[in-house]
Amino acid sequence: QSVVTQPPSVSGTPGQRVTISCSGNSLNIGRNSVHWFQQVPGTAPTLLIYRNDQRPSGVPDRFSGSKSGTSASLAISGLRPEDASDYYCAAWDDSVSGPVFGGGTKLTVL
Amino acid sequence: QITLKESGPTLVKRTQTLTLTCSFSGFSLTTNGVAVGWIRQPPGKALEWLALIYWDDDKRYSPSLRGRLSVTKDTSKNQVVLTMTNMDPVDTATYYCARFGRAGYDWFAPWGQGTLVTVSS
Repeated sequence: QSVVTQPPSVSGTPGQRVTISCSGNSLNIGRNSVHWFQQVPGTAPTLLIYRNDQRPSGVPDRFSGSKSGTSASLAISGLRPEDASDYYCAAWDDSVSGPVFGGGTKLTVL
Repeated sequence: QITLKESGPTLVKRTQTLTLTCSFSGFSLTTNGVAVGWIRQPPGKALEWLALIYWDDDKRYSPSLRGRLSVTKDTSKNQVVLTMTNMDPVDTATYYCARFGRAGYDWFAPWGQGTLVTVSS
């Protein structure tokens, strides 16, 4: 059971906007940046958003991140079938002096 | 181009010790602020951080597995080695290594392809 919680699943139809929430506490998200990873089934995760709202080069601007207090969100606009993946948030946790991952959210594109 | 690749046994027996090697290129583990991390993922389950080793040999371990984990580096070979003792079937997972840094864009980026380790009883 992770200390950072995400909804197990979300879904949307092509073209829609979906959001994935990520909730932590004052020792992880409350104090440190949130990072998001995308994992296409059968492949390794890739960094999607870093430092709450920054996109690595090559990541479309359809993906955006935000953080407020001890929670963060990933938004995907203009949903595409290829966005169907598992999404993980993560943050440094001062209580363990290491990173902690959320439980992951499976995005289904209907 | 930065690449990482995990190698090691695909099958270990219960109570045995697992040794995995992460071989990387495109960056140096002697550069200030750089680290290599290990993360695992049981089949169908979430990612779990295991360990970090920094350029200055600072090491961090997951509290839930501390005592079973050891991580070392060989900068001359561009390799990081993870050792996990007393393996159990619940440790069956895909094990990944990834570059880790402070800049943000290098926060577990990129990852190796992962290696599936099965623990038999």
